[in-house]
Amino acid sequence: GDSVTQMEGPVTLSEEAFLTINCTYTATGYPSLFWYVQYPGEGLQLLLKATKADDKGSNKGFEATYRKETTSFHLEKGSVQVSDSAVYFCALSSNTNAGKSTFGDGTTLTVKP
Amino acid sequence: DAMVIQNPRYQVTQFGKPVTLSCSQTLNHNVMYWYQQKSSQAPKLLFHYYDKDFNNEADTPDNFQSRRPNTSFCFLDIRSPGLGDAAMYLCATSRDLGYQETQYFGPGTRLLVL
Repeated sequence: GDSVTQMEGPVTLSEEAFLTINCTYTATGYPSLFWYVQYPGEGLQLLLKATKADDKGSNKGFEATYRKETTSFHLEKGSVQVSDSAVYFCALSSNTNAGKSTFGDGTTLTVKP
Repeated sequence: DAMVIQNPRYQVTQFGKPVTLSCSQTLNHNVMYWYQQKSSQAPKLLFHYYDKDFNNEADTPDNFQSRRPNTSFCFLDIRSPGLGDAAMYLCATSRDLGYQETQYFGPGTRLLVL
């Protein structure tokens, strides 16, 4: 079946540091890949997505590239801010699973001033 | 703004007392989902509706039921809440069931069982 493995947290960085959160996946068929962010006390919201190999999703300074050869979708940001503190979920949705999403366990990011 | 709304944001119930959580959407999406999320773990899909068609996940306990009376509203009923059902319940929508579809989440209802 489908699965998503995320880098274990929590991750603590200083403001303006470089961020990488690793995500690898196993999927049957041709998945789309997503990063969702959950701020404290809120629901998840889409951060970025990529629907085919070599696509790069980007939003708010975050980027992730769909790497089919390494089955990865690592999230990166060049300079984090305190306001980026949140839980980040990697997810996939496969054409062989009726479009239902499989989520990773989430990575908690704390950015300190 | 089009959105997914969940009420209430916090719900306290007693062990064994039925409780209903509600979700509404102004996106006019075909699909509505209910997830259970514990302690910032991965959301666990309980069931979803595609229009009026109900799809239950195989491991969702019978204690959890859902109703979708119209396109805009969907309800989660917990018939006899146990202590283990205390969690955040997230409602989400998507335009369709395709694998490229983005899901739009509500803010969640945090359920406390006493």
